[in-house]
Formats: sequence, structure tokens, C-alpha cells
Amino acid sequence: DTGVSQDPRHKITKRGQNVTFRCDPISEHNRLYWYRQTLGQGPEFLTYFQNEAQLEKSRLLSDRFSAERPKGSFSTLEIQRTEQGDSAMYLCASIFTGTSGRSDYNEQFFGPGTRLTVL
Amino acid sequence: GQQLNQSPQSMFIQEGEDVSMNCTSSSIFNTWLWYKQDPGEGPVLLIALYKAGELTSNGRLTAQFGITRKDSFLNISASIPSDVGIYFCAGAGSYQLTFGKGTKLSVIP
Repeated sequence: DTGVSQDPRHKITKRGQNVTFRCDPISEHNRLYWYRQTLGQGPEFLTYFQNEAQLEKSRLLSDRFSAERPKGSFSTLEIQRTEQGDSAMYLCASIFTGTSGRSDYNEQFFGPGTRLTVL
Repeated sequence: GQQLNQSPQSMFIQEGEDVSMNCTSSSIFNTWLWYKQDPGEGPVLLIALYKAGELTSNGRLTAQFGITRKDSFLNISASIPSDVGIYFCAGAGSYQLTFGKGTKLSVIP
């Protein structure tokens, strides 16, 4: 247990439905990441937050995807109008950075992931 | 975009054997990390490397940061059944990690 939790662990939905995942990072970690992992691949970066600010988004994050971190603690990732191609493991990771926002250490701690299956 | 080439893709070894896997990149990274992922779980950090040429150990695991900063390798000595899993290398950019496709390790008792 890395201290990063994700909920739910598994989600099965029908194409066209909306889904929302939650990530609770390690409490003192001010930076939070979302990654997507498909079968046989490594995790791919989606987006990250520094406190409550969303600073970067990957081109993988289509306009059907939205992420929030309203109070700089937990984060949610919503997928609207799900498609079969959205089926993947969605991973959350967190890290502490100094007040400058830079991190001398890139040791991201990952949660257990949410496995999404779109039928 | 940046890509990491990780090899081999899979390995079958006998318990007690040593294992070596490596990762190469077309770009320079300032940090290399090695993660292990069990089925249905998130990646767990094994070793982090911060200086070119650095050799770091964690128990039976040893990893090195290549001097060109474009490669890294991971060795596992005296493998045991619980070493089974997928090992990922990752290079750290300015804010994100770029992962290889993983090396799937199977240990035959």
C-alpha cells in the first residue's frame, strides 16, 4: 500500500454512459497525476495538478475527459459518453514538490488504479 | 514524442537465476526510475537514479543510470517466485514520467 487510494477499483459501464473516478493522494503531496494504461503498454500521462491548478494536459485527454482537484486534496476524473476505446486502467500518482513547484525527486507513488471496461 | 525501448519484452527464468533488463531512449533524461507492477495493481517504485553513471542497489536489485543519460539497466540477482511481474523503466521529464512497455518476468520454481 503506497498510501494513494483510488475508487472504484473496477467499473463496468455501457457505451455512452458517464463515469467518474476518485483519487486520494498521500496527504502531504501537493502534486497529483493521472495516467492511462492499456493492455501491454506502460502508463501514459494524461494530466497533472499542482495543488488545485491543472497545469498540463496530454493530447490523449479528449474533450470528453475532465479532471478536477477543487481543494488541492482528492481529485476526480470524469469521462463523458464513454467509448469502447476508453477501456483501460486509470492510474493516479502523487508527489511532494517544494514551494517553487520543482521537485528534486521524481518518485511518483501510484495508487492501485481503476479498471474501466466499456461494453 | 519521447519513446523508451525496453527489452526483453518477456523472460522465463529458473528460480535462483540472475536477470538483466534494459531500457534505452532517443532523448536524455535527468532521472531514471524502475517500477514493478503486479496484475491488477498500480506500479510500485523499486529504484530511482539521479546521476549519470550512478549504480544503486535495493536488496537483490541493482540499477544503473547510463553515462549518456539515454539508457538504464536493472539486474535482479538470485530470483525468487515473488519476483514475477512486469518491470517498467521510466524517464522523468520536466513534470511527467515516460514509461517503457515493460518486461514481463516469469520465474519457474
